Amino acid sequence: AQSVAQPEDQVNVAEGNPLTVKCTYSVSGNPYLFWYVQYPNRGLQFLLKYITGDNLVKGSYGFEAEFNKSQTSFHLKKPSALVSDSALYFCAVVGAGNMLTFGGGTRLMVKP
Amino acid sequence: GAGVSQSPSNKVTEKGKDVELRCDPISGHTALYWYRQSLGQGLEFLIYFQGNSAPDKSGLPSDRFSAERTGGSVSTLTIQRTQQEDSAVYLCASSLYSKSYEQYFGPGTRLTVT
Repeated sequence: AQSVAQPEDQVNVAEGNPLTVKCTYSVSGNPYLFWYVQYPNRGLQFLLKYITGDNLVKGSYGFEAEFNKSQTSFHLKKPSALVSDSALYFCAVVGAGNMLTFGGGTRLMVKP
Repeated sequence: GAGVSQSPSNKVTEKGKDVELRCDPISGHTALYWYRQSLGQGLEFLIYFQGNSAPDKSGLPSDRFSAERTGGSVSTLTIQRTQQEDSAVYLCASSLYSKSYEQYFGPGTRLTVT
């Protein structure tokens, strides 16, 4: 069975500082990894994905994520946080099946 | 272009009643998924449709849940004899194909069972 862990329920960062939202996964075979963001009362929005190739993946709104096979991690990063980045972030993996298995989510709070 | 749409946006029903939730995927997307989001269980997969293949029902929590996809497009999720634990936001997503393609989510249907 596949699983995703997001060890932090909440991450607090000051505007302008770099941010990291952590994600680790467990899956049989090659993982397809995704990050989604959910703003209040809005649906999930795709941010970025890793399928194959370069371990550093760039996505929407200046976000990037680094795939680390040895550590089975796929941490989300941004060099300079904005207040508008405050939202709920979900890491997800597709393994042997076709469905997304989500982590529990991390609430990002960016303070001015 | 138009995204994934879902209706109704909110549904309040009495325990024991049946409900139908509708999803209209992005045109041309062959894969369609249903998930639900609840406080206690997070985001859970329910069912997956790919083209004309038999659906993957492995995530349905009980036989009170069923779904169909007509003509490879619109999908309906039906919950029979609703229970209070069915209260959640039901999310529909579609993708161009499957697996490696990102899924685009609709706004969800918030179901409240009283």
